[in-house]
Amino acid sequence: GENVEQHPSTLSVQEGDSAVIKCTYSDSASNYFPWYKQELGKRPQLIIDIRSNVGEKKDQRIAVTLNKTAKHFSLHITETQPEDSAVYFCAASRSNYQLIWGAGTKLIIKP
Amino acid sequence: SQTIHQWPATLVQPVGSPLSLECTVEGTSNPNLYWYRQAAGRGLQLLFYSVGIGQISSEVPQNLSASRPQDRQFILSSKKLLLSDSGFYLCAWTTARNTEAFFGQGTRLTVV
Repeated sequence: GENVEQHPSTLSVQEGDSAVIKCTYSDSASNYFPWYKQELGKRPQLIIDIRSNVGEKKDQRIAVTLNKTAKHFSLHITETQPEDSAVYFCAASRSNYQLIWGAGTKLIIKP
Repeated sequence: SQTIHQWPATLVQPVGSPLSLECTVEGTSNPNLYWYRQAAGRGLQLLFYSVGIGQISSEVPQNLSASRPQDRQFILSSKKLLLSDSGFYLCAWTTARNTEAFFGQGTRLTVV
């Protein structure tokens, strides 16, 4: 079955710098890759997603890139702000109902 | 607009006691419904999903069960809780496969 690995588990960056979180997946049939943000004690919320027919997607300060050959995808956050501090999860899915989640990355923005 | 309600927010239960967590969705019809469990500092583990009334798919063998008695109601149950059942349980819904999942507020379950 699908396996998703996420790195790093913790990422600390200076406010204003960029942050990059990487995920790899094992199932070459996976075609949907969302990223969720979870603030402490709250529910996960979708911040961006990408499908396998696209190599990159941007939404303001957030971008996701997908390399199908290498089976990895990355989240890029530019000009980080204190409110970006949270746990970020990647996930992968085939054309079914099963999202397989990474273990999460705790992003710390240092003032 | 669509909303999802999940209760209770926190629950402390003794080992061996039963469990019932309820989730309801408003403002949409025939949603796909999901139960996830999140252990501390870990990702989400899909427990059950349902594409319609009475249709339940189980992803992880355990002492939990799920039911969908109505289109927008999803219930997670256990007859006898184990210590290992402690965690943060999240209900979610989607309109279709591979679309944005909307999560409930979660239930923090502690089995003592």
